[in-house]
Amino acid sequence: QQQVKQSPQSLIVQKGGISIINCAYENTAFDYFPWYQQFPGKGPALLIAIRPDVSEKKEGRFTISFNKSAKQFSLHIMDSQPGDSATYFCAASRAGTGNQFYFGTGTSLTVIP
Amino acid sequence: GAVVSQHPSWVICKSGTSVKIECRSLDFQATTMFWYRQFPKQSLMLMATSNEGSKATYEQGVEKDKFLINHASLTLSTLTVTSAHPEDSSFYICSARVGTDSGANVLTFGAGSRLTVL
Repeated sequence: QQQVKQSPQSLIVQKGGISIINCAYENTAFDYFPWYQQFPGKGPALLIAIRPDVSEKKEGRFTISFNKSAKQFSLHIMDSQPGDSATYFCAASRAGTGNQFYFGTGTSLTVIP
Repeated sequence: GAVVSQHPSWVICKSGTSVKIECRSLDFQATTMFWYRQFPKQSLMLMATSNEGSKATYEQGVEKDKFLINHASLTLSTLTVTSAHPEDSSFYICSARVGTDSGANVLTFGAGSRLTVL
């Protein structure tokens, strides 16, 4: 069973536009929700993360919106740039060093000039 | 920040040989590391959880004898693909959890290892 569902699978956005990627989770015990950015041939890198006690977190052009009651969270990339073209993964985890992270299926973002 | 170093970044081997991939935490200690496999344009598939000083925990469907994991120290975990075959060709990525000042456990990834079995 897919613990974290991510959509869309791919996304094409014009430079300067807003990219929005959505994720939904099932397990209410999850308490940490990161987004990872992965460029081809590289490992994923942490982009931004949120805990369920806040509804929004913003870091530069990247914002996470979190809806605890709906068990959904989304990544918004404002003023999207060609350099943002990458694959984005959402994830969910519980506290504890031994607990694994559950990843979404990924979204391939292409920002066209 | 915390860095996870993975080596080699790419390797080509003949069918039937074994390949070892190393994952090191450079500036922190990692009692737990995770090994993932990723097929082209697909998500990260957790293969196993590597525990320092004890046996790894494998996910369902992952062959323990095929993918040997050793976590002999707090800074090193290794994945050995034994008797590799072309279907084992993939991108293997390790990661480790890093504690932060806010109490979160951030998952930090290595750069990945591209294995091609001829």
